[in-house]
Amino acid sequence: DAGVIQSPRHEVTEMGQEVTLRCKPISGHDYLFWYRQTMMRGLELLIYFNNNVPIDDSGMPEDRFSAKMPNASFSTLKIQPSEPRDSAVYFCASAWSGGGFYEQYFGPGTRLTVT
Amino acid sequence: AQKVTQAQTEISVVEKEDVTLDCVYETRDTTYYLFWYKQPPSGELVFLIRRNSFDEQNEISGRYSWNFQKSTSSFNFTITASQVVDSAVYFCALSAPNTGNQFYFGTGTSLTVIP
Repeated sequence: DAGVIQSPRHEVTEMGQEVTLRCKPISGHDYLFWYRQTMMRGLELLIYFNNNVPIDDSGMPEDRFSAKMPNASFSTLKIQPSEPRDSAVYFCASAWSGGGFYEQYFGPGTRLTVT
Repeated sequence: AQKVTQAQTEISVVEKEDVTLDCVYETRDTTYYLFWYKQPPSGELVFLIRRNSFDEQNEISGRYSWNFQKSTSSFNFTITASQVVDSAVYFCALSAPNTGNQFYFGTGTSLTVIP
């Protein structure tokens, strides 16, 4: 079975540009999470969805960040405009509530560098 | 509030030594779940184990074992006869239905196994 798929794996962009990160969760999973990982702040939860509906976006750093989940198999995280401090690894994870334990399965991450 | 503490920032051991990674958690919920994840140098986050709050049985999987003690709010992870491939950052995490099943991660323990 395919795991969580993220694209691109690496993104280098200039400050001020729009960046879109993409995620395809594991088929059948009803939860989707976006995280950011940096050396300074560790793993931070940005936003998560349940059945395509955003449940908690309190971790989104500011209005420059937005996330959507138009259907059960696709989600995007957009940064507009990007800033150097947004440089990080962004992970997408999905989970299935049916098992009752909600363990999350992570994608390989997108390494974003904003110059 | 949920909190996970991994006091050991970095650990180095010589191959074949045993090593224990500590995880202490805080929660007021009676139903909660505990997890361990491994992040090797390649960067992906790999799910290792989950435990629910009603199951204090220790678990062994090959060279890995986990000790869950509610009395001390700890969920420690032991690697027996460590190998170079065990070198990674290990994260402990907590989730609970009362907080939307989102994960609260510790800051991670970086393990280096020296050949």
